[in-house]
Amino acid sequence: GAVVSQHPSRVICKSGTSVKIECRSLDFQATTMFWYRQFPKKSLMLMATSNEGSKATYEQGVEKDKFLINHASLTLSTLTVTSAHPEDSSFYICSASYDEKLFFGSGTQLSVL
Amino acid sequence: AQSVTQLGSHVSVSEGALVLLRCNYSSSVPPYLFWYVQYPNQGLQLLLKYTTGATLVKGINGFEAEFKKSETSFHLTKPSAHMSDAAEYFCAVSASGAQKLVFGQGTRLTINP
Repeated sequence: GAVVSQHPSRVICKSGTSVKIECRSLDFQATTMFWYRQFPKKSLMLMATSNEGSKATYEQGVEKDKFLINHASLTLSTLTVTSAHPEDSSFYICSASYDEKLFFGSGTQLSVL
Repeated sequence: AQSVTQLGSHVSVSEGALVLLRCNYSSSVPPYLFWYVQYPNQGLQLLLKYTTGATLVKGINGFEAEFKKSETSFHLTKPSAHMSDAAEYFCAVSASGAQKLVFGQGTRLTINP
């Protein structure tokens, strides 16, 4: 089956630094990837839709300058949390679209100190 | 617009008992419906999905769900709970199999020995 690899699985950083999270489709090409954020004991909220070769589409209320998304190839999308603050601490999950199905990465737990 | 409501943020059942997790949806287009399971600090695993056709959908680990259009429901059931079923369960809706998902709030399932 299709596999989506997400790295790192866990990252701890200092406030004010930037963190990059990678989402790779290992055995298929994904023209569309999605980034979700999950607060503790909460549901997953879609942050943005990432399309290869074009700008990401952000959901209402998501700061595009803070959460930079790059989908430079058909197998890689990256989410960069810029100037991270403690309130950005969360679980981030990506998913990739292929063959009318969605495949999820294993998630990244971001902790900002 | 689409939305999902999961009734009960926490469900507790005894091992061997019936599991019933409730999900109601709202969709302006014919919905694609999903149930996902999430174990602590992990990504999402698809349990089952409804697209078209048969309204009773069987998934992995003995779970099944029935799409009831008249009730706008997609409840998840399992005849006999196992300790390994303890996890967070999310119901989700989309307009297709590969588009962005709208998730419910999640239901934490606890299994009592």
